[in-house]
Amino acid sequence: AQSVTQPDIHITVSEGASLELRCNYSYGATPYLFWYVQSPGQGLQLLLKYFSGDTLVQGIKGFEAEFKRSQSSFNLRKPSVHWSDAAEYFCAVGSPSGAGSYQLTFGKGTKLSVIP
Amino acid sequence: EAQVTQNPRYLITVTGKKLTVTCSQNMNHEYMSWYRQDPGLGLRQIYYSMNVEVTDKGDVPEGYKVSRKEKRNFPLILESPSPNQTSLYFCASIPWGPSGTRGGELFFGEGSRLTVL
Repeated sequence: AQSVTQPDIHITVSEGASLELRCNYSYGATPYLFWYVQSPGQGLQLLLKYFSGDTLVQGIKGFEAEFKRSQSSFNLRKPSVHWSDAAEYFCAVGSPSGAGSYQLTFGKGTKLSVIP
Repeated sequence: EAQVTQNPRYLITVTGKKLTVTCSQNMNHEYMSWYRQDPGLGLRQIYYSMNVEVTDKGDVPEGYKVSRKEKRNFPLILESPSPNQTSLYFCASIPWGPSGTRGGELFFGEGSRLTVL
């Protein structure tokens, strides 16, 4: 069964500092990879996704993520954090199967706090 | 406007009283799914459906039922709710047609906050 690990439950950074949120997955082949953000009391918004091709993916709000097959990782980065980036971030893995099935699994999330 | 609509958005009920949370999408997506979100546990998949009349269990299906009689609707049924089903529920859909038209953005509903007393 596939799984997603976000090792950091809570991260605090200063506004303007760089950010990296970690995501590791367990899956036999190359999965579909996603990062979502959830602001307090809100639903989930897609930041970026990776299906194939270039392993560095650009998303919305200045975020990017890099797929590293050798490390089974898909870490999210942002060069300069803004106070409005304070939210909870979820990594997700989608695994299509030859039998025509598809399962999407989320990590437990990383809460980001931003110090002004 | 492309959207996934859940109802009700908020519900307080009592143990054992059957309830249904509806989910409807207007994007003609094949794949639909239900998740529950609990603090510290992230989103866990309850059930998913690859197409009409095709449903399968996710990670936490106990206590829930689903049906997929029409492509656009995927209701979540709690036959006998218990307090441990108090949670925030999300419905989502993805296009999952022939190869090349699958696995796009996961569209989420706005969530349904359920409290079981």
